[in-house]
Amino acid sequence: AQSVTQLGSHVSVSEGALVLLRCNYSSSVPPYLFWYVQYPNQGLQLLLKYTTGATLVKGINGFEAEFKKSETSFHLTKPSAHMSDAAEYFCAVTPESNQFYFGTGTSLTVIP
Amino acid sequence: DTEVTQTPKHLVMGMTNKKSLKCEQHMGHRAMYWYKQKAKKPPELMFVYSYEKLSINESVPSRFSPECPNSSLLNLHLHALQPEDSALYLCASSQDPGTVSRQFGPGTRLTVL
Repeated sequence: AQSVTQLGSHVSVSEGALVLLRCNYSSSVPPYLFWYVQYPNQGLQLLLKYTTGATLVKGINGFEAEFKKSETSFHLTKPSAHMSDAAEYFCAVTPESNQFYFGTGTSLTVIP
Repeated sequence: DTEVTQTPKHLVMGMTNKKSLKCEQHMGHRAMYWYKQKAKKPPELMFVYSYEKLSINESVPSRFSPECPNSSLLNLHLHALQPEDSALYLCASSQDPGTVSRQFGPGTRLTVL
């Protein structure tokens, strides 16, 4: 069975500080990995995804994530937080069966 | 057109009402999905349509009835809902059932009184 763990349901950072949102997965085979962002009262927007190839993936809005197979992780980072980054972030995993498994989400607060 | 659109944006209905949610995409995607999302929770899959045929029903109560009239449209018919059905209903699509990336619409915020 697949599972996705997002450590920290709430993360607060100061404006300009590093953003680190954690995602770990359990999978018997290397899955495809995604990060989605959800702004208040909106749908989900794809930030970035890893399918194959380079393990460091760059996404929109300055975010990037690194797939580390040995650690079964896909943490999301951004060097400098902006007020507009405040949102809910979901990590998702899909194994070969094409079932999507979402993590429980991390709410990011940016402090001015 | 590179979006998934959903109407209405907000819907308030009584428990005896019948209403429908609409989802539309013109990207030529052949798989479409309905998700239900409660506040501060991840989306939960409800239905999957593959090439206009229902392929997955995640044990959703019959008061929710999906319909896919054509490859661009996906409806969710609602009848005799309960207050606990209040949630954000998200539509998504993907190029085909084997494509892992899913594009989500903005959602319909449903309130059942």
